[in-house]
Parts: sequence; C-alpha cells; structure tokens
Amino acid sequence: DAKTTQPPSMDCAEGRAANLPCNHSTISGNEYVYWYRQIHSQGPQYIIHGLKNNETNEMASLIITEDRKSSTLILPHATLRDTAVYYCIARVTGNQFYFGTGTSLTVIP
Amino acid sequence: DVKVTQSSRYLVKRTGEKVFLECVQDMDHENMFWYRQDPGLGLRLIYFSYDVKMKEKGDIPEGYSVSREKKERFSLILESASTNQTSMYLCASSRRPRASPDYTFGSGTRLTVV
Repeated sequence: DAKTTQPPSMDCAEGRAANLPCNHSTISGNEYVYWYRQIHSQGPQYIIHGLKNNETNEMASLIITEDRKSSTLILPHATLRDTAVYYCIARVTGNQFYFGTGTSLTVIP
Repeated sequence: DVKVTQSSRYLVKRTGEKVFLECVQDMDHENMFWYRQDPGLGLRLIYFSYDVKMKEKGDIPEGYSVSREKKERFSLILESASTNQTSMYLCASSRRPRASPDYTFGSGTRLTVV
C-alpha cells in the first residue's frame, strides 16, 4: 500500500489558486489517488479522485504526474470556506481508506 | 444525499463505564467504518464491516469492539472506558466496489472519559 506525504500546513490568499502537493512514490498501478477535506468539527468530505489522467470537477482539479509518484490538488479560487485539513490517500486495502495527518490549509483574507 | 448519523455529538463518560457509540446510514451501503481522530495523529481506523455480522480489525482495535446486527447500523463499544479513549470518533459508510469514492462520514462524536 502506498504511503503519502503532505506538507503539514499551507497558507493561501483569498481568491488565489491553492496548490496542495502530495507525494506517493510507492503507488501501485491499480491504486487511485483520492482527496478528502475536513472542515473543523465536521467529518471528512470527498473532493476528487483519479488514476492516471488529470481530473476536474466543480470543487477542484487533480493533476497527477506521468510517473504517478506525486499529485497536486488545485482549488482554483480559494475562499475562506476552503480553510480545512486536506487529506491525500493513495492506499486502498480492500475497501477501507487509511488517512494520514493531511495538510492544514488556511485561506487568508 | 447519503446520510450518516451518529447518535451523540458530545458524550462524557466515567472511567470503567461501558460506552456505546451508534452510527446509522440510510443509503443501503454495504461497508461501514469507525475511526478515531486525535491531534497530530490524523484519522485512525478502529474497525470496519463489509456486511451484516461481519467485522474486521483496523489499525487500533484494542479496547474496542463492534456490532453490526443490521445493515444500516454499526455500533462501536468501549467495554471499559479509559481516559486514553477520549477522542473524536467518526463513522463512515460506502458502497462497494473498492474504487468507489463514496465514503460518507458522520459529523462525529466527541467522547470525553473522566
């Protein structure tokens, strides 16, 4: 199972793009990369996932490098409500997710 | 929308008490999970279940047990609560298959053991 490494914290100015990196150098060919976020006092919320290709939805974009050893979650226009802990997961054993400690993103007015 | 409901938002119990944390989901999901979350440690998986009456240990099952008598309900049991079990407890559910991203979490139960 692939271990993920994320910076513990990041700041981003409101209205700017937030780029959250994740390293998963031991990811296997059939492991997806998932991103969740957790706003204070709530349960984690699914954002996006991908296997090889870049993905975009209404919340964010996911850029996966060609060698799949790292990825970046992009929030194109960060708002104060995007302040949260963001989890990158590239480890799926059976059906359960294993969460790390994530990146605490603070969006600054 | 999938809803995962945890019975209590805040709970205070005494050391040695038997504690039940209840979780109910309303979307007929096969899989259910219990995590605990502590500062600096992230979310850690305690137990999970793929079907009624089935259970599997996660990373930190010691001191806990679970019960899944009905598909929609997954209970976490602290047989004899201790102060080191003071934590935020999060329940989640999902469909199969394994690539499904639809983990849905409840709002959590903040348990304090005194």
